Amino acid sequence: AQSVAQPEDQVNVAEGNPLTVKCTYSVSGNPYLFWYVQYPNRGLQFLLKYITGDNLVKGSYGFEAEFNKSQTSFHLKKPSALVSDSALYFCAVRDSWRGSTLGRLYFGRGTQLTVWP
Amino acid sequence: DTAVSQTPKYLVTQMGNDKSIKCEQNLGHDTMYWYKQDSKKFLKIMFSYNNKELIINETVPNRFSPKSPDKAHLNLHINSLELGDSAVYFCASSLGLAGGINEQFFGPGTRLTVL
Repeated sequence: AQSVAQPEDQVNVAEGNPLTVKCTYSVSGNPYLFWYVQYPNRGLQFLLKYITGDNLVKGSYGFEAEFNKSQTSFHLKKPSALVSDSALYFCAVRDSWRGSTLGRLYFGRGTQLTVWP
Repeated sequence: DTAVSQTPKYLVTQMGNDKSIKCEQNLGHDTMYWYKQDSKKFLKIMFSYNNKELIINETVPNRFSPKSPDKAHLNLHINSLELGDSAVYFCASSLGLAGGINEQFFGPGTRLTVL
């Protein structure tokens, strides 16, 4: 079974500090991993993805994420948080194994990031 | 230029009514999706179409019927609306076959309130 866990419902950081939003996953085969951000009353926006290759993936707005196969994690990071980063962040996973349920992305429950000035 | 658009943005209706939500994408994508986001922000896929063909059909009531007249449109019709249908419904699209490596682009959402 495929699943994603975001262990923290909320993350609060001060502006200028580094931030981490955690994500762990479970898939049968190799994972395709995604991070999306949702601002209030908006749809989800794609931030970055890991498909294969370098474990450190860089994405939009200065975000990056590190794929760790042994820990089955894909934590989202940013070196210096901005107040405008405050939003709801979703981690998602898809199983790359051919024949798995086509296209189904499994989303975590989301982590609300608040960056205070 | 809106990539994935949905109408209406808000929908307030009485229990038992039938309503439709429309979705259009101008990205040239092959695959479109409907998601439901509940009051706790949990996001769950309902349907997926690839080139007008249904490829994912999650366990949703038969009252929900998607229709894809062409690959740029995926509409959602809901019969006999119930209180529990109140949620935000998101349309999304992606390039290539679902199950691939491409990210999904989401519409702005339709907030459905059933009274």
